[in-house]
Amino acid sequence: AQTVTQSQPEMSVQEAETVTLSCTYDTSESDYYLFWYKQPPSRQMILVIRQEAYKQQNATENRFSVNFQKAAKSFSLKISDSQLGDAAMYFCAYRSAHFGNEKLTFGTGTRLTIIP
Amino acid sequence: NAGVTQTPKFRVLKTGQSMTLLCAQDMNHEYMYWYRQDPGMGLRLIHYSVGEGTTAKGEVPDGYNVSRLKKQNFLLGLESAAPSQTSVYFCASSLLQSTEAFFGQGTRLTVV
Repeated sequence: AQTVTQSQPEMSVQEAETVTLSCTYDTSESDYYLFWYKQPPSRQMILVIRQEAYKQQNATENRFSVNFQKAAKSFSLKISDSQLGDAAMYFCAYRSAHFGNEKLTFGTGTRLTIIP
Repeated sequence: NAGVTQTPKFRVLKTGQSMTLLCAQDMNHEYMYWYRQDPGMGLRLIHYSVGEGTTAKGEVPDGYNVSRLKKQNFLLGLESAAPSQTSVYFCASSLLQSTEAFFGQGTRLTVV
């Protein structure tokens, strides 16, 4: 079974600075998808960024980028120019690309605080 | 465009009571999921479905049942509620395994 580990329960960063959230996963598969979701106090889950394992290029979405290290099974999220609105829980998630294994597995989350 | 809608948003149950949570999506998605979220434990998968008429167990299925009689609806049932089932429940759906999952707004369930 695949597992996703987020080893930082809480992180904080000064406004306008850069912060990196860590995520590692365990799988024996070669083809899969990775996601970062944001959950603000409203409780709504929002997709931040998505990465396909077969792509070597790291995904970027405006101020959000990932460092995908397939061999190390690591998928960290970098937030540049942090803003107050970035304060939220961040969840890393894994989903296999293989038929018959359709589970979407989440880590335990990292609570990000933005310091004004 | 409603997306994923969960009903109800809040509920208080007494131990031993039963209830059904409804998840409805209007995006013609094949995959649907039920999660529970507890402090410090992230989102844990209860059951999921890969299409109409199919269901499968997730990580924490005990005490829950599900049905997907219509493609757009995924029902989560608690036959005999227990205090350990106090949680926030999320439904999600996705079109494909490769695409993002869209989430409902969550249901806060308290079992007393």
